[in-house]
Amino acid sequence: NAGVTQTPKFRVLKTGQSMTLLCAQDMNHEYMYWYRQDPGMGLRLIHYSVGEGTTAKGEVPDGYNVSRLKKQNFLLGLESAAPSQTSVYFCASRRGTSGGAADTQYFGPGTRLTVL
Amino acid sequence: SQQGEEDPQALSIQEGENATMNCSYKTSINNLQWYRQNSGRGLVHLILIRSNEREKHSGRLRVTLDTSKKSSSLLITASRAADTASYFCATVISSNTGKLIFGQGTTLQVKP
Repeated sequence: NAGVTQTPKFRVLKTGQSMTLLCAQDMNHEYMYWYRQDPGMGLRLIHYSVGEGTTAKGEVPDGYNVSRLKKQNFLLGLESAAPSQTSVYFCASRRGTSGGAADTQYFGPGTRLTVL
Repeated sequence: SQQGEEDPQALSIQEGENATMNCSYKTSINNLQWYRQNSGRGLVHLILIRSNEREKHSGRLRVTLDTSKKSSSLLITASRAADTASYFCATVISSNTGKLIFGQGTTLQVKP
């Protein structure tokens, strides 16, 4: 199992450009999450999904959109990138059914995005 | 807004010593989790403690939870250089969504 993978690993954008970050998990997990990590801020939740075809806003959703058309994939889109969106983006997934490990989130390796 | 605050922000110890990190939070929780992040890497789950539990152990890790004080601590015993990393506590308010609310983390350096 690859676990949670993220594409791309690095990206540099100019202000106003758009891009999509792809998260894929092969664990058949119901729940998926997108976080951003800024220096000294910990991780903050952008959007999440509780199942295929569902999405919901997290703490810092402005400027981002998401889609979960397939259970294994969760896409994060930036329609018009801004320098404030320079960050490291992490995707995570969670099984979500009852049981000891249901609440554990499994994280991808991250995407480092710079917006100039 | 951040739910958790961690203390200390940075900790430097010698190999073999114990490391203690503390986490405080603001609202009632379903569970609290600790994660480790090595430099430039993703987060790795360490341990989960539920709101009706007071203490849990996993190998060299010991986590306590005091819901009356809204605080938790992570103890790493007999530390190793490989334990050098950032450690984050994260709270879950609702298991329906499972949303994690992270603290700012404690950076631990273990000197060989």
